[in-house]
Amino acid sequence: AQSVTQLDSHVSVSEGTPVLLRCNYSSSYSPSLFWYVQHPNKGLQLLLKYTSAATLVKGINGFEAEFKKSETSFHLTKPSAHMSDAAEYFCVAVSGTYKYIFGTGTRLKVLA
Amino acid sequence: EPEVTQTPSHQVTQMGQEVILRCVPISNHLYFYWYRQILGQKVEFLVSFYNNEISEKSEIFDDQFSVERPDGSNFTLKIRSTKLEDSAMYFCASGDVFTDTQYFGPGTRLTVL
Repeated sequence: AQSVTQLDSHVSVSEGTPVLLRCNYSSSYSPSLFWYVQHPNKGLQLLLKYTSAATLVKGINGFEAEFKKSETSFHLTKPSAHMSDAAEYFCVAVSGTYKYIFGTGTRLKVLA
Repeated sequence: EPEVTQTPSHQVTQMGQEVILRCVPISNHLYFYWYRQILGQKVEFLVSFYNNEISEKSEIFDDQFSVERPDGSNFTLKIRSTKLEDSAMYFCASGDVFTDTQYFGPGTRLTVL
């Protein structure tokens, strides 16, 4: 069965330093993978999506993610954190029946 | 930019009461979904809906739950007799036929007392 593991439940970074949010997936095939962001009291916003066209995917707000099949990973990165990046981030895989399988989420804290 | 909307944003109800959560998907989308997120837990799939019928449902989606597309725009989730453990944030999502990207509404926070 497919599963998504987000390795860190909380990540704290200083403003202006790089962000790394880790995600590993388990699947018998190369799935579509997404990162969504949820700001407090807001809905889920699509950050970026991987669909096998390119292994390095660029998203909104300077985020990008690299698909590594050999490591079954899809880590989210950003070169320089901004205070407005503080939110919860979800790694998501799409099942064969198109339902989303969510990771447990990583809460990103950005320190001034 | 089109977006998914949900009403109400917060619903408080007594245990055993019926609630209906409403969603207006993006207008040209044909696939509709409900997910829920219990506080502190991961987002869980409840049900998917296409062509006026349920495509898939999870084990959470028991006989107390039902979905309906009563007109051309709304997509509703009904919980017939709410339980304390139904307290959660409920997200509606919609998608088109060309991609597997889903677009989420802001959620309805359901509190069962």
